[in-house]
Amino acid sequence: DTGVSQDPRHKITKRGQNVTFRCDPISEHNRLYWYRQTLGQGPEFLTYFQNEAQLEKSRLLSDRFSAERPKGSFSTLEIQRTEQGDSAMYLCASSFPRPEKLFFGSGTQLSVL
Amino acid sequence: GESVGLHLPTLSVQEGDNSIINCAYSNSASDYFIWYKQESGKGPQFIIDIRSNMDKRQGQRVTVLLNKTVKHLSLQIAATQPGDSAVYFCAETTSGTASKLTFGTGTRLQVTL
Repeated sequence: DTGVSQDPRHKITKRGQNVTFRCDPISEHNRLYWYRQTLGQGPEFLTYFQNEAQLEKSRLLSDRFSAERPKGSFSTLEIQRTEQGDSAMYLCASSFPRPEKLFFGSGTQLSVL
Repeated sequence: GESVGLHLPTLSVQEGDNSIINCAYSNSASDYFIWYKQESGKGPQFIIDIRSNMDKRQGQRVTVLLNKTVKHLSLQIAATQPGDSAVYFCAETTSGTASKLTFGTGTRLQVTL
């Protein structure tokens, strides 16, 4: 499968715990995006990378959230001290050469109890 | 803020009929639009896109129409099949905004036999 890969597919955690998600983009794609989607809503932009540089962050991304893309390939999204309001689908997408044509992964469904 | 919205939350069509899903956008600076299909438990899947210098674009069984005067776009699916059942999102972006897509809330397409 040469699409965007996300791991895990599902994560259940208790409030206050830290969680980390991984995204492996399509191999030649230099741009990588994180979006969040709640039930019945469209995805909302969180942040994006061009190669290893994080170039933009949404104000939705509180200081409990951190994303990295250390070698310009895979990316991780960490949420510290999770809250019930963090429950959502976290989607990763990548693009190249056309930056606006995003290809999404299947997402990580987070449930915070 | 600027947003993209949809007129109909649920659309039910018979197999073989044509489907039309509508979307209104409010950001007059938007110059690129995409339709995504999202099946349950999966990430959004790119269907078709259109730039603001075009009024119509056709793909395989799908057509996107853009009316910039009234800030409206639509997705037409010909000969709708059961496999077309999904939630459809329109998304928009503006060149130079780091390809940050703004999604609407989605329309659920139900194909009946």
